[in-house]
Amino acid sequence: DVVMTQSPLFLSVTLGQPASISCRSSQGLVYTDGNTYLSWFHQRPGHSPRLLLYKISNRASGVPDRISGSGSGTDFTLKITRVEAEDVGIYYCMQGRHWPHTFGQGTKLEIK
Amino acid sequence: EVQLVDSGGDLVHPGGSLRLSCAASGFSISTYWMGWVRQAPGKGLEWVANIKQDGTMKYYLKSVEGRFTISRDNAGNSLYLQMNRLRADDTALYYCARGGGTLDFLGQGTLVTVSS
Repeated sequence: DVVMTQSPLFLSVTLGQPASISCRSSQGLVYTDGNTYLSWFHQRPGHSPRLLLYKISNRASGVPDRISGSGSGTDFTLKITRVEAEDVGIYYCMQGRHWPHTFGQGTKLEIK
Repeated sequence: EVQLVDSGGDLVHPGGSLRLSCAASGFSISTYWMGWVRQAPGKGLEWVANIKQDGTMKYYLKSVEGRFTISRDNAGNSLYLQMNRLRADDTALYYCARGGGTLDFLGQGTLVTVSS
C-alpha cells in the first residue's frame, strides 16, 4: 500500500502568520490520464472532513485563495499564507491513484 | 445543494452484521464513483471502499475485503455498505463519500460500535 507521511504532525501558529504542511507518498501518484491524484482535507472538531485541494493544487468550491497546494512526484505541500481562526483543525492528505486509497496521519493546527 | 445523509449505524456484537445507507440529494450518483471512509474514535481517516458508476468495479481496504460489500442503487440515488463478521476494530464513524480518485464531498457520518 502507498504510505502517506505528513509533517509536522502538530502546528501552533499565530493569527496572520503563514503555515505549511508537507505530505510525502511512498510511490508516485500520476495516473495514466496525466493527473496526479493528491488531495487535501480539513476537519474541524465535530465536523466531517471537507475537501480543500484536489489534483495537487486545484481549490474546491469556497476555498479561499490564501490556501494553496503545490508539489510533484512524491512531495507535496499545503500552504496557508495568513492563518485565520477558522483554519484550526486537522489537515489530511490523501492519494487516490493506487488502490487502496490512503490518507496521511493528519496534522493538527492550533492558534498560538 | 449537495447532500449525503448517512444512516444505519448502531451498537452490534462482535461477529454481527449491519447495513449502512447513504441517501444522496442535489446530484445524481449515477455519474460518480462513490465510496466509504471511516474514522475510529480519536483517530485519523481511513478509506474503506469504492464502487464505479455502473457497479462493475469495486475496491476494498484489505482488512474488510470478504466481510464488507459496497453496492449502489442509482435509480434510488443511494449507496450502501453491508458489513458482516464485524470486529471491535471496525468501530468508527463511517462517512459516505462522492468520488473516486478525488473524494469531493463527505456525509455527516454514522457511528458503528462493535462491542460485547
